[in-house]
Amino acid sequence: QKEVEQDPGPLSVPEGAIVSLNCTYSNSAFQYFMWYRQYSRKGPELLMYTYSSGNKEDGRFTAQVDKSSKYISLFIRDSQPSDSATYLCAMDAGNMLTFGGGTRLMVKP
Amino acid sequence: DTGVSQDPRHKITKRGQNVTFRCDPISEHNRLYWYRQTLGQGPEFLTYFQNEAQLEKSRLLSDRFSAERPKGSFSTLEIQRTEQGDSAMYLCASSHSSTGELFFGEGSRLTVL
Repeated sequence: QKEVEQDPGPLSVPEGAIVSLNCTYSNSAFQYFMWYRQYSRKGPELLMYTYSSGNKEDGRFTAQVDKSSKYISLFIRDSQPSDSATYLCAMDAGNMLTFGGGTRLMVKP
Repeated sequence: DTGVSQDPRHKITKRGQNVTFRCDPISEHNRLYWYRQTLGQGPEFLTYFQNEAQLEKSRLLSDRFSAERPKGSFSTLEIQRTEQGDSAMYLCASSHSSTGELFFGEGSRLTVL
């Protein structure tokens, strides 16, 4: 079993939809949680960073962490075609990030 | 400073050759990481440095791989006697130890023929 599990998708939604992306993890030592967006043949770009249970909002993006269930989510409101990318969750126990496999998202106009 | 810089962006080599990748981190960051990413997978940790000290290495990093960060600034990742299985994107990231947020470069894509 991988430490971080993420549904690979692809997830296809119409423009304007609310998108929910999820990851589960098994290592209780993870304290910091991040979401990255990665366009094809590019490096990952940091979207959201949080270290506590609860919600954190930034524009159209909301990150949610539930440490008791070992479950994190990223919500994208009013999705746009430019949001089409692979979304990676990542978790940190203090010295390095462990990534999920990524979910490919396609937002259709 | 425009972010993490990696060079070359793409390297094609024949099996058995040696290759070296360079990473220039964000200047105020004291931590530097190397990750490897294959198609359809998330990045996998290889190694990281705090200043010039290499603090952790993954068991993915076989003895054909060596990384250095001689003056605590840029880093190099060398792969000796390349194999087809080494074909991947090699990603460098940097952070400051006080924040933990990693910022990635655009990666160096290796193709071993």
